[in-house]
Amino acid sequence: NAGVTQTPKFQVLKTGQSMTLQCAQDMNHEYMSWYRQDPGMGLRLIHYSVGAGITDQGEVPNGYNVSRSTTEDFPLRLLSAAPSQTSVYFCASSEYRGLTYEQYFGPGTRLTVT
Amino acid sequence: SQELEQSPQSLIVQEGKNLTINCTSSKTLYGLYWYKQKYGEGLIFLMMLQKGGEEKSHEKITAKLDEKKQQSSLHITASQPSHAGIYLCGADKAAGNKLTFGGGTRVLVKP
Repeated sequence: NAGVTQTPKFQVLKTGQSMTLQCAQDMNHEYMSWYRQDPGMGLRLIHYSVGAGITDQGEVPNGYNVSRSTTEDFPLRLLSAAPSQTSVYFCASSEYRGLTYEQYFGPGTRLTVT
Repeated sequence: SQELEQSPQSLIVQEGKNLTINCTSSKTLYGLYWYKQKYGEGLIFLMMLQKGGEEKSHEKITAKLDEKKQQSSLHITASQPSHAGIYLCGADKAAGNKLTFGGGTRVLVKP
């Protein structure tokens, strides 16, 4: 299993540009999430999905769109990039383990918006 | 303010010494996760605690969750350079798959 994969690893955008961060998992997990990590802030949830065709907002959804057409893929779209979106983005998939979920994280995408 | 507070924010220890990281929540937690992150890499799952008073160990790392399920500690015994990195606690507040994370603790182990 490749686990959770993310592309690209690094990206530089100019303000106003749009792009899609790719995330894929091969573990057949129903649940997938996108987080962003900023210094001193830990990770904050952007959007999540509980299965194909179902998505919902997390803590910091503004400026981002997601869709989930298949179980494997969960892309994150930046509609019009802003410097405040400079961050490291992590995708995660999770499976139910009794009372709670075990989350598996991808290696991250480091995004800089100038 | 963040719902999960980690302390300290950073820690420098001499190789061979013990260290402890704390993670505190104002609300009862359904699940408490500990992750380790090396710079520029993703998060590595360490342990998950679910029950009040639970304690788990793996190699030289021990994590505990208090009886009220509002505070957890991560203890490393006889630290090694391989223990360096950022340690993050994450909490599952609603028995779902949405985690809230603490701000992280940066650990440096001096040889």
